[in-house]
Amino acid sequence: GESVGLHLPTLSVQEGDNSIINCAYSNSASDYFIWYKQESGKGPQFIIDIRSNMDKRQGQRVTVLLNKTVKHLSLQIAATQPGDSAVYFCAENLGDSSYKLIFGSGTRLLVRP
Amino acid sequence: KAGVTQTPRYLIKTRGQQVTLSCSPISGHRSVSWYQQTPGQGLQFLFEYFSETQRNKGNFPGRFSGRQFSNSRSEMNVSTLELGDSALYLCASSPRGATTGETQYFGPGTRLLVL
Repeated sequence: GESVGLHLPTLSVQEGDNSIINCAYSNSASDYFIWYKQESGKGPQFIIDIRSNMDKRQGQRVTVLLNKTVKHLSLQIAATQPGDSAVYFCAENLGDSSYKLIFGSGTRLLVRP
Repeated sequence: KAGVTQTPRYLIKTRGQQVTLSCSPISGHRSVSWYQQTPGQGLQFLFEYFSETQRNKGNFPGRFSGRQFSNSRSEMNVSTLELGDSALYLCASSPRGATTGETQYFGPGTRLLVL
């Protein structure tokens, strides 16, 4: 399959610290990227997106950075809270007429109280 | 607006049976996509529908099928269930489809267990 999910890395952070979740995407032609948060028993929830003509975008407590040169995406969460504990996925869209998202394998974020 | 809804939320079937899952998109969204999520393979694209037409299909066997109705609601069907079909099936909707700048919004999923 296109989405590799054999290994789910885990990031453990102290409450109040900043978190950085990384993602390497697969297609240099991808022109739109989305970060999703998935809590246990729920579907993925949209967090923030970025187009390929940008290298940074900020939301409330979250920032996404895009480095097209090395095909790398990161999600920064400021002042991490217990409610941020979840699995985070990056997704890429090829910008073609495939009408699908290609998902990364995900990172589990654990917030220590 | 109400979010994407999926029914049923949980389902237990036995091998060889068939199952139908339902998805109601966000009001006004005409594109519905289906994804399968398993611990081993992650999130994988099944198919996408827009205005009752399938525009793309992922790498799944023909036992997986779907359709979309004129009100944009969608169903997916899996026939002759196998143990490996146990997964969380996620439906996502967007106004026109997963293209540049258009986000897909996901439902809570249907958890299917095949025994």
